[in-house]
Amino acid sequence: SQQGEEDPQALSIQEGENATMNCSYKTSINNLQWYRQNSGRGLVHLILIRSNEREKHSGRLRVTLDTSKKSSSLLITASRAADTASYFCATDVTGNQFYFGTGTSLTVIP
Amino acid sequence: EAGVAQSPRYKIIEKRQSVAFWCNPISGHATLYWYQQILGQGPKLLIQFQNNGVVDDSQLPKDRFSAERLKGVDSTLKIQPAKLEDSAVYLCASSYRDRVNEQFFGPGTRLTVL
Repeated sequence: SQQGEEDPQALSIQEGENATMNCSYKTSINNLQWYRQNSGRGLVHLILIRSNEREKHSGRLRVTLDTSKKSSSLLITASRAADTASYFCATDVTGNQFYFGTGTSLTVIP
Repeated sequence: EAGVAQSPRYKIIEKRQSVAFWCNPISGHATLYWYQQILGQGPKLLIQFQNNGVVDDSQLPKDRFSAERLKGVDSTLKIQPAKLEDSAVYLCASSYRDRVNEQFFGPGTRLTVL
């Protein structure tokens, strides 16, 4: 399977703390994206990092990509209760579609 | 700009019954995707359309699932007959033809097969 795998499966932190989740994948990729999914709602695109990039920032989000290790990490700084959601990485292998990982369930406790 | 619309939001059926889901993509988006998301897993692509043509349906269980996008806009996904393992959320997404990395997702239809 080309699907990524997120780690940890579940994460619980206090509001204001940082949250880090990781994604590992198996094959070479064109790019990798992170998505957020709130309970009972659709997926929302957070950030895209291309294979020739190593780090990218967007607001409180920081994404890193290590193609040699076939892994990526998503860091959410100064977390808020509203960040409670499931986070998925999605890898683009073919340039035409991408494959979602299994997700990390993040709970931010107020 | 209106988002991707899906209906119904919830559906409960008995096994062996049939069910259909509807999706209306964002205006101007030529590419439309149907994903299946089983509880606790990430979404899995079932079928991808470019206008009214199928780009990829390699993961669509064609013995029971079918999808169409006759006029290149709205799409329907049908399951006939449904099995217990089809219980999942069915997500529709759309994108511009040359921006497959910028997919916009609808809220999904939660299917429960009893």
